[in-house]
Amino acid sequence: DQQVKQNSPSLSVQEGRISILNCDYTNSMFDYFLWYKKYPAEGPTFLISISSIKDKNEDGRFTVFLNKSAKHLSLHIVPSQPGDSAVYFCAASKTGGGNKLTFGTGTQLKVEL
Amino acid sequence: NAGVTQTPKFRILKIGQSMTLQCTQDMNHNYMYWYRQDPGMGLKLIYYSVGAGITDKGEVPNGYNVSRSTTEDFPLRLELAAPSQTSVYFCASSYGLGQGVSGANVLTFGAGSRLTVL
Repeated sequence: DQQVKQNSPSLSVQEGRISILNCDYTNSMFDYFLWYKKYPAEGPTFLISISSIKDKNEDGRFTVFLNKSAKHLSLHIVPSQPGDSAVYFCAASKTGGGNKLTFGTGTQLKVEL
Repeated sequence: NAGVTQTPKFRILKIGQSMTLQCTQDMNHNYMYWYRQDPGMGLKLIYYSVGAGITDKGEVPNGYNVSRSTTEDFPLRLELAAPSQTSVYFCASSYGLGQGVSGANVLTFGAGSRLTVL
């Protein structure tokens, strides 16, 4: 039972354009959502997060949007840079859950020159 | 700050052997976790701990054991290694809700330990 889904295994965009990564979840108890970035042979690193009481959170070039009614969130990267090429994982947690994260399967982003 | 440190980075085991993956953190985090990542899959939680002396099972605990004798260390023990345990293992830590720190939901991960069981 995949509670957090990333249906696009890969995405390719040109440098300077917008990258949009999508994530869907099924468990309505999730109330905190995070995006992690992972380079090969490294651990995931935290990128940006959003609480369920908000619908948008920005941090520089990165913006996360949350649509609770659709159980959908997306990560926008503008402008995309070659150094953004990595695997992006969506993750979710719920209050009282010991901060345990449930991860999606990841989307490989490739930013081309 | 070293953050979360995992050893070894790589290991090859024979079926039936046992080993311990080491994990230590220097951020005074109360919570610690072990995840595994299989190819094309997301990270799956094996075990977690909310403080010294307290551990609990995650989504895929079979074949593993953990202990938490100190705040800093959270070793993962594999008994009777099987090919299905071939994976990349990640240790992580976070502040606990009782530590009065904002952003407690954010986990910090180690660099991973790649284990192959042949």
